[in-house]
Order: sequence, then C-alpha cells, then structure tokens
Amino acid sequence: DAKTTQPNSMESNEEEPVHLPCNHSTISGTDYIHWYRQLPSQGPEYVIHGLTSNVNNRMASLAIAEDRKSSTLILHRATLRDAAVYYCIPHPGASYGKLTFGQGTILTVHP
Amino acid sequence: DGGITQSPKYLFRKEGQNVTLSCEQNLNHDAMYWYRQDPGQGLRLIYYSQIVNDFQKGDIAEGYSVSREKKESFPLTVTSAQKNPTAFYLCASSHKGRRPNEKLFFGSGTQLSVL
Repeated sequence: DAKTTQPNSMESNEEEPVHLPCNHSTISGTDYIHWYRQLPSQGPEYVIHGLTSNVNNRMASLAIAEDRKSSTLILHRATLRDAAVYYCIPHPGASYGKLTFGQGTILTVHP
Repeated sequence: DGGITQSPKYLFRKEGQNVTLSCEQNLNHDAMYWYRQDPGQGLRLIYYSQIVNDFQKGDIAEGYSVSREKKESFPLTVTSAQKNPTAFYLCASSHKGRRPNEKLFFGSGTQLSVL
C-alpha cells in the first residue's frame, strides 16, 4: 500500500481558506486518492476523492499534482464545524474497500 | 434516512467476558467492515465482509470474531482472548467493496472499556 505523509496539525481562522497537504509518493497509477474527516467521538465522514484531475464538490476541492505524488484538500471558507481530523488515503484498486487510515491532520479552526 | 446504526454507544466488559457489538445498515450495501481506533491513532481493520456468509480477517483479527448471516447485519464479538479491548470500534459499509472509487459510510461508533 502507498504510504502517506500529512502534517500532524494545522490551524486556520474562520472564513479563511485552508489547504491541507498530503504526500503519497509511492502511489500507483490506479490508486484513487480519498479524503475523509473525523469529528471528535464520531465515525469518519467521506469528503472527496479523485484519480488524476482536480475535483470539486459541495464540501471541498481536491487538487492532485500532475505526477500524482501529492494532493491538497482545499476548504474554501473554513467554519468551526470543519474542525476535525483529516485523513488522506490512497485507495488501491485491489484492496476491496479496505482503506488504511493513518494518523491524519488535526485541523483547528479559530473564531 | 439510510445509514449505519451501531449499538450500544458505550459498553463495558468484565475480565474473561465476551461482548458483542451490533452493526446494522439499511443502505443495501454488500460490503461491511469493522475498524478499531485507539486514542490519538488512525483506524485499523479488524474484519471485512463482501457478501453474506463470507468474511475475511483484516490486520488485527486476533481476539475478535464476526458473522454475516444477513446482508444488513455484521456483529462483532470481542472475545476474552483480546487482552487489550479498550478502544473505539467503528463499523462501515460500501456498495460492493471491489472498486477503488467506492465511498465508505461509517456508523457513530461504540466505545468499549474494561471494568
């Protein structure tokens, strides 16, 4: 499985954009990049995923580097409800849904 | 609303006791999973199932058992052989469990503690 590197923690102010980076230099060509987030005492929640192109949805945007060795999750205007642990997860095609969750990035949002 | 229901939210186990955590989904998903989360850590896969009456060990299956008699249900038993069971247990499901673009849907978890 591809290994990921994420900052342990990041901070942001409310209503400012947040860029959460992830390095996945050993990713294979068929691995999708998934992002999940987990609020305290809750189960993880799907945020977004992509393969090669940048992706947008109502929650966030995902920018994938051209060489696919890194990606960035973008929250366009952080709110207090975005404070969570964010996990970047390469999803191998043959893993049969078995995602590997590392320690992620703890995002703190200040009012 | 469709989703995954885990119960109970909190569970206490005595020494030598087996306990069973419930997980039910009404999303009509084929694949279901159990993860364990220790404080400040990521999630580790215990067991997964892609179809009724079939399941596979994950990375940390020792001391746990599961069954999949119905599509909607995937209970996890923490046996007395699991010497360090205190953790947050999460159940998840996905549509088929075979494609890399599938999303996982999680329940709200069960916190298990040892008395």
